[in-house]
Amino acid sequence: AQTVTQSQPEMSVQEAETVTLSCTYDTSESDYYLFWYKQPPSRQMILVIRQEAYKQQNATENRFSVNFQKAAKSFSLKISDSQLGDAAMYFCAYRSGDTLAGSYQLTFGKGTKLSVIP
Amino acid sequence: ETGVTQTPRHLVMGMTNKKSLKCEQHLGHNAMYWYKQSAKKPLELMFVYNFKEQTENNSVPSRFSPECPNSSHLFLHLHTLQPEDSALYLCASSQDPSGGYEQFFGPGTRLTVL
Repeated sequence: AQTVTQSQPEMSVQEAETVTLSCTYDTSESDYYLFWYKQPPSRQMILVIRQEAYKQQNATENRFSVNFQKAAKSFSLKISDSQLGDAAMYFCAYRSGDTLAGSYQLTFGKGTKLSVIP
Repeated sequence: ETGVTQTPRHLVMGMTNKKSLKCEQHLGHNAMYWYKQSAKKPLELMFVYNFKEQTENNSVPSRFSPECPNSSHLFLHLHTLQPEDSALYLCASSQDPSGGYEQFFGPGTRLTVL
């Protein structure tokens, strides 16, 4: 079974600075998808960024980028120019690429609570 | 409305009550999910429905009973719950396999069992 580990329960960053959230995962598969989700306080969980394992290029979405190290099974999220609205719980998630298995399950880490200091 | 909606947003119930949580997605997706989110634990997948057919049940106790009458609606019927069932219950939907596997989440129902 796949597992996802987020080793930082809480982190903080100064506004306008850069912060990196770590995520490692365990799998025997070669085809899979990785996600970072953001859950602001009392608000809906939304997708921040997605990475397909077969792509060597790291995904980027504006101020958000990932460092995907497939061999090391590491998938960290970098937030540049942090803003107050970035304060939230961040969840790393794994999804098998085996569509024939018929499973759409996402496996989530426990989350990292990010605080942004004005 | 757009996206994924859930009602009620908050629910307090006794252990002998029967209640239902409702989820509706307005995205035309084919798959819907129920998750349980407890403090300091990873999100736990409870049920998956694809085109109204249940495809996964992750060993969820029978006091939780899902219902998916069509691809847009998903219910979670609750009866004789325990205090440890208090949690945030999240509904999600996705378009698989063509939708890039992104799941869209609702705001959740905060359930308290007394």
